[in-house]
Amino acid sequence: DAMVIQNPRYQVTQFGKPVTLSCSQTLNHNVMYWYQQKSSQAPKLLFHYYDKDFNNEADTPDNFQSRRPNTSFCFLDIRSPGLGDAAMYLCATSLNRGGGRETQYFGPGTRLLVL
Amino acid sequence: AQTVTQSQPEMSVQEAETVTLSCTYDTSENNYYLFWYKQPPSRQMILVIRQEAYKQQNATENRFSVNFQKAAKSFSLKISDSQLGDTAMYFCAVGGATNKLIFGTGTLLAVQP
Repeated sequence: DAMVIQNPRYQVTQFGKPVTLSCSQTLNHNVMYWYQQKSSQAPKLLFHYYDKDFNNEADTPDNFQSRRPNTSFCFLDIRSPGLGDAAMYLCATSLNRGGGRETQYFGPGTRLLVL
Repeated sequence: AQTVTQSQPEMSVQEAETVTLSCTYDTSENNYYLFWYKQPPSRQMILVIRQEAYKQQNATENRFSVNFQKAAKSFSLKISDSQLGDTAMYFCAVGGATNKLIFGTGTLLAVQP
């Protein structure tokens, strides 16, 4: 089945130690998104890629970076994780950048714990 | 700016009964889309139903239907014949001209046997 895969499902890191979360998709979608979801809060968009075109949200901290080496893979890099970065990180895809009408397909998420 | 409000943090329903989850939103856009997503425990978020704002007819998808009141900016989800597998967090979301979905804080629905 075509899907969005996130690895690992759980990640523990130390305060200030760089960490990378991975997302891959078999849907061949053009757009890939990263959301941060803190406990009892709404998912919040960090950035998205349309093909190789990177689009950062204005309020995304510089501590968060992303890479998309090819259509299938997208990475979230947290350069110096703080305690406040502990959250569920959701990867999603959509076929095109069609504004809000595009259905987004989500991965299962990676829960990040910062010690 | 767009905002989404889900005023029911938690709800419970008996199996086979009907439940309605509330959602209100605010947007300055004329052309927008509304979504209900479901996030089961430890599983990925999946689309339940979507509504195009320019369509007056309420969307229906099997046991799931919406009550879209455009003037009131209300978009509630009705689940009929609730099943144990419907237990999940339900998120209401609005999308407009940008690629951004704005989510509400979610309603945790528990279906009781």
